[in-house]
Amino acid sequence: NAGVTQTPKFRVLKTGQSMTLLCAQDMNHEYMYWYRQDPGMGLRLIHYSVGEGTTAKGEVPDGYNVSRLKKQNFLLGLESAAPSQTSVYFCASSSGNQPQHFGDGTRLSIL
Amino acid sequence: AQSVTQPDIHITVSEGASLELRCNYSYGATPYLFWYVQSPGQGLQLLLKYFSGDTLVQGIKGFEAEFKRSQSSFNLRKPSVHWSDAAEYFCAVARMEYGNKLVFGAGTILRVKS
Repeated sequence: NAGVTQTPKFRVLKTGQSMTLLCAQDMNHEYMYWYRQDPGMGLRLIHYSVGEGTTAKGEVPDGYNVSRLKKQNFLLGLESAAPSQTSVYFCASSSGNQPQHFGDGTRLSIL
Repeated sequence: AQSVTQPDIHITVSEGASLELRCNYSYGATPYLFWYVQSPGQGLQLLLKYFSGDTLVQGIKGFEAEFKRSQSSFNLRKPSVHWSDAAEYFCAVARMEYGNKLVFGAGTILRVKS
């Protein structure tokens, strides 16, 4: 009964490095989302997907790219990490008009 | 554009006391409203949701929320707080017409005094 699984849980990068965060869901949900959480700002939507092969920009998409090659996976990429991207990243998934289910987050630090 | 305001950044209540967390939203259509709770180092857990119908909705862990369209509010309440309720609480509104995207408030951190 895994739900939404995020990999890795923690990561430290140097400025300019690249990395990919992986989100996997086993609930056969159509929709998937990536958020970032910063103190005092709640969660803000980075990118989302309404189905396999589709992606769309959210509120704060700059500096990130995403891909949804398989229905169960949603990847978030940072091509050239910047200190401003230090944050906690959450993936979520949902189906129809049902509430989103969240993963446990990835804590990312950019030095 | 829709927005969610949680006016209280921090709230401290004594264990056993009642609790009300405020949430106001701005949205041009019938909103879908949610309350989530986040314990330290954890993801978000859904407490309750409002889609339509009865404006008083019951959730998990003894929480309830009341939707008031005239006040654009969706306040969360609990009659008697337990120490384990200490966490951060987020109100959110969803755009259901494309992708069910959530817009979150900034959150309210609840501290419980013993």
